[in-house]
Amino acid sequence: GAVVSQHPSWVICKSGTSVKIECRSLDFQATTMFWYRQFPKQSLMLMATSNEGSKATYEQGVEKDKFLINHASLTLSTLTVTSAHPEDSSFYICGAGGRSNTDTQYFGPGTRLTVL
Amino acid sequence: GQSLEQPSEVTAVEGAIVQINCTYQTSGFYGLSWYQQHDGGAPTFLSYNGLDGLEETGRFSSFLSRSDSYGYLLLQELQMKDSASYFCARKGYSTLTFGKGTMLLVSP
Repeated sequence: GAVVSQHPSWVICKSGTSVKIECRSLDFQATTMFWYRQFPKQSLMLMATSNEGSKATYEQGVEKDKFLINHASLTLSTLTVTSAHPEDSSFYICGAGGRSNTDTQYFGPGTRLTVL
Repeated sequence: GQSLEQPSEVTAVEGAIVQINCTYQTSGFYGLSWYQQHDGGAPTFLSYNGLDGLEETGRFSSFLSRSDSYGYLLLQELQMKDSASYFCARKGYSTLTFGKGTMLLVSP
């Protein structure tokens, strides 16, 4: 399957700071990437769909001004958690591929964010 | 709606066969994917059914019945390393909606 990387794998930050998470598709071009959040013992919840060269599409209830997404190239999407608070602590996972109904979506290794 | 239903937990012993069922709502449905996730790791793609029938990949098989809005993942010759969470995910045209996951515990 396709390889998707994320960086950093974990991050600890103070409340009120911003954190940037990178997602890269290493062996294919991804015009669309997806950002998920997963709380302990829960399912993956789609936060937003990141589209190369255009604005991201956010799911209902996700604040676009708090979770900034930039998809500047066909292999890189970034998620910035602005003014992070302890309730933003979670496992953030990006997915790439699966743009059409016949494509498979592959996931990065995830980034564990802890906000103190 | 787009909700999926799957059992929260299944237990089995090494060498056994386990079936994890998943029912889904049909609006905008293109297919059913299955992912494995070990504790602290990322989801790993296992299988996809876009059409009715059985897809076999080694020890794992997945089945879909569109008329019944139902699918399952079958794991054979269970090994300890198969202990993980298994998610069915409903594929829309471009997005995935995940079920709540089934935690599989394999004991010796």
